[in-house]
Amino acid sequence: DGGITQSPKYLFRKEGQNVTLSCEQNLNHDAMYWYRQDPGQGLRLIYYSQIVNDFQKGDIAEGYSVSREKKESFPLTVTSAQKNPTAFYLCASSRDPGVINEQFFGPGTRLTVL
Amino acid sequence: GQNIDQPTEMTATEGAIVQINCTYQTSGFNGLFWYQQHAGEAPTFLSYNVLDGLEEKGRFSSFLSRSKGYSYLLLKELQMKDSASYLCAVSPRPGGSYIPTFGRGTSLIVHP
Repeated sequence: DGGITQSPKYLFRKEGQNVTLSCEQNLNHDAMYWYRQDPGQGLRLIYYSQIVNDFQKGDIAEGYSVSREKKESFPLTVTSAQKNPTAFYLCASSRDPGVINEQFFGPGTRLTVL
Repeated sequence: GQNIDQPTEMTATEGAIVQINCTYQTSGFNGLFWYQQHAGEAPTFLSYNVLDGLEEKGRFSSFLSRSKGYSYLLLKELQMKDSASYLCAVSPRPGGSYIPTFGRGTSLIVHP
């Protein structure tokens, strides 16, 4: 079964620590995305990647970093510079970069910073 | 810029019909998506409209009027499992990228 996975589902960290969220897809999609969702808010784009070894900032990239060393993987690091990191993080992928088409979402990681 | 408006919350009765509206203002237009998201889960794709008119898919239909910057999602024969948040997303985003911008979502509560 093809799909997109995120791990872990729940993550707790102490303030000041960096944390990396995993996102893997076996859909052979070129484009991958990271979104943040807060209560009562829509999805806000953090970073996206249209091709391996390339990525672009979204609307709220400050305090986050990503890498795209493999087509299947797009990990997100939440750094200590992110002022309000507690949120629900969603990873997504889509087929053709630069063309509008539906996005497939992973199950999400709920990060809580204590 | 871009502005997407949806009602925050709606309630409806099982078996009834509900219409969830989405209005948008955008420079240029590539298409409009509707996604369903159950609490704590991933959004799942429902529909995509690029031309004016109604697209029907089983119990769900989506309508688009490009000239009015308006779309709606119509859910018929409501079931309890339809209780979820419904997200409207419009492409392009500010700056021209194809990646859609999401509205805040409409939380639909279906009661018996």
